[in-house]
Amino acid sequence: GIQVEQSPPDLILQEGANSTLRCNFSDSVNNLQWFHQNPWGQLINLFYIPSGTKQNGRLSATTVATERYSLLYISSSQTTDSGVYFCAVGSNYQLIWGAGTKLIIKP
Amino acid sequence: KAGVTQTPRYLIKTRGQQVTLSCSPISGHRSVSWYQQTPGQGLQFLFEYFSETQRNKGNFPGRFSGRQFSNSRSEMNVSTLELGDSALYLCASSLLTGANVLTFGAGSRLTVL
Repeated sequence: GIQVEQSPPDLILQEGANSTLRCNFSDSVNNLQWFHQNPWGQLINLFYIPSGTKQNGRLSATTVATERYSLLYISSSQTTDSGVYFCAVGSNYQLIWGAGTKLIIKP
Repeated sequence: KAGVTQTPRYLIKTRGQQVTLSCSPISGHRSVSWYQQTPGQGLQFLFEYFSETQRNKGNFPGRFSGRQFSNSRSEMNVSTLELGDSALYLCASSLLTGANVLTFGAGSRLTVL
């Protein structure tokens, strides 16, 4: 099956810093989504991005499908950005999830 | 537009009991997927329902079952609870079947004692 690896596993930054989170996947996919899980467990869909680049405010994402990776950029981090960021990929009926990157933003 | 609503949010059960969790999708969404999240296994797909039919199923034992009603609301049931069933159960809705763009509910946190 498809393997999904996220890096780094943990990231601690000061407020205002920028960060790049990476997602590598082992096979061709036609679905890739980035999620943020807040400390209370709520999963928020950030991007649906099987290929190309998208931006939403301080967040942007790029997926290079031919090279099997995706990047999530967070600029000017805020404490509310803390939580776990998941990459999930799929080729048929289900999403395979990475283990996540735990991000802590210190004030 | 209301989001995905899951009930109950928290519950405690003992081994051997059964539990039913409910999920109301976003209005107009016909697909409901269920996921289990545990610290050891991460997020794992349970099953997906679309138009009252189970379309896809993950690799879970038969103790885990679900159904969907004509109004797209879905329930999942776990029978003969085991300690390892303690988890956050997440429901997601989407317009289309398959691994479409998912919107998640807040989850139901189950503790099995």
